[in-house]
Amino acid sequence: IAGITQAPTSQILAAGRRMTLRCTQDMRHNAMYWYRQDLGLGLRLIHYSNTAGTTGKGEVPDGYSVSRANTDDFPLTLASAVPSQTSVYFCASSSDTNTGELFFGEGSRLTVL
Amino acid sequence: GQNIDQPTEMTATEGAIVQINCTYQTSGFNGLFWYQQHAGEAPTFLSYNVLDGLEEKGRFSSFLSRSKGYSYLLLKELQMKDSASYLCAVNDGDYKLSFGAGTTVTVRA
Repeated sequence: IAGITQAPTSQILAAGRRMTLRCTQDMRHNAMYWYRQDLGLGLRLIHYSNTAGTTGKGEVPDGYSVSRANTDDFPLTLASAVPSQTSVYFCASSSDTNTGELFFGEGSRLTVL
Repeated sequence: GQNIDQPTEMTATEGAIVQINCTYQTSGFNGLFWYQQHAGEAPTFLSYNVLDGLEEKGRFSSFLSRSKGYSYLLLKELQMKDSASYLCAVNDGDYKLSFGAGTTVTVRA
């Protein structure tokens, strides 16, 4: 059972380049989320999707976009990367929107130079 | 916005007990989670409290007081493998979790 798969695991990117972080889940969870984790700031929600076809903005959405064409996939795109987007990005999913328990992918470490 | 506070770091000795406090002020409340995160790894679920009181699960217990906006995670009989970050997270009632910055626990021999 794979759970949530993120790719790439790690990436170094030049500022101004476009980048898509991929996230796929095989648990048939309705809700999916993208968080970034920075030292001293904890996990901050970027975007979320409660169900396929819908998305919403989290706490720090600027500079990022998402799409949810189907239940399994939830890619995160940086249209023009900036150094402040250097972070570890975690994709998560939830089957139980009542409690909100999250299952996390292993993370994607992104460095923007 | 959401305000979730927890100490930055704690150190304890193997076999001891450590209590990690978390206070929160959020726009809504539909439960509080504790997650464990080892360095370089993804967070993993530890506990969930939605009603006041203590939830015990092996060496770990979690307490919630909704009226005080307060929770704690109690780690008993500490082991070296318990060295990790512990994240307090609140479901704000809109199906999203807001996280505190995390508490790094170091267990010494």
